[in-house]
Amino acid sequence: GQNIDQPTEMTATEGAIVQINCTYQTSGFNGLFWYQQHAGEAPTFLSYNVLDGLEEKGRFSSFLSRSKGYSYLLLKELQMKDSASYLCAVRDRYGGATNKLIFGTGTLLAVQP
Amino acid sequence: GAGVSQTPSNKVTEKGKYVELRCDPISGHTALYWYRQSLGQGPEFLIYFQGTGAADDSGLPNDRFFAVRPEGSVSTLKIQRTERGDSAVYLCASSLTRQGAGEQFFGPGTRLTVL
Repeated sequence: GQNIDQPTEMTATEGAIVQINCTYQTSGFNGLFWYQQHAGEAPTFLSYNVLDGLEEKGRFSSFLSRSKGYSYLLLKELQMKDSASYLCAVRDRYGGATNKLIFGTGTLLAVQP
Repeated sequence: GAGVSQTPSNKVTEKGKYVELRCDPISGHTALYWYRQSLGQGPEFLIYFQGTGAADDSGLPNDRFFAVRPEGSVSTLKIQRTERGDSAVYLCASSLTRQGAGEQFFGPGTRLTVL
C-alpha cells in the first residue's frame, strides 16, 4: 500500500531551527516533494529530492534517504510567517509515466515569538 | 504569467445535485491534476491528464465523478448526485513536464459544500 507518515503538529520558536520528518512506503518512487500550505491557501512548492542527500535552498533544506524511506525538511532562522502546514509528497509511477503525488497528512508548524 | 485559476472559489449545493468545477492551468502546461483535500488532511489524488487524455484516473472514488479536458487546456471536474461526503476543497494543479522536478503548481481550490 501507500503510506506517508509525518508528525501532526510541531511548535518552534522564532529564530530557531526545526526539522520535520517524513517516512514513506510506496509502491513506486520517482521523487519526493515538500510543499508549504498556509491556512485556506493552495500548497506551494518548496523542494524536490530524487537522489539521496541534502538539497539546500536559502533557509530551507531537504534531505532524502531512499534506502530508509526517509526525508526531512529543515527550516532555519524561523520567522512568524513560516507558521503553516508542511506537506510531504511522493511522486508515484504509473505504467512508466510519472504523475500523481501521494501526500502525507501534513505537519502543522506553529512558530512562537 | 498567471497561475492556475479555479472557478468557482466556493460552491454550495444540495445533496443529489450535479456540480461542475473548472480549472484553467498555467499556459503551456501539458499535465493537469485534480486533487481533493478534506480538513486536516493532505491532498488526495483524483485524476491526471497528459494533454487531452486521462493518463491515470485511479483516484476517482466512484462513477459519480468524471473529468474532461477536451482541448488539452481547461479541465472540468463533474460530480453527479452529490453526497455530503463529497464536501471538500477540490484542488487543481498543472506542471510543465513529467521529468525532472516537474513541480506541480496548485490553484486556490474550489470549496465544495454539500448540504
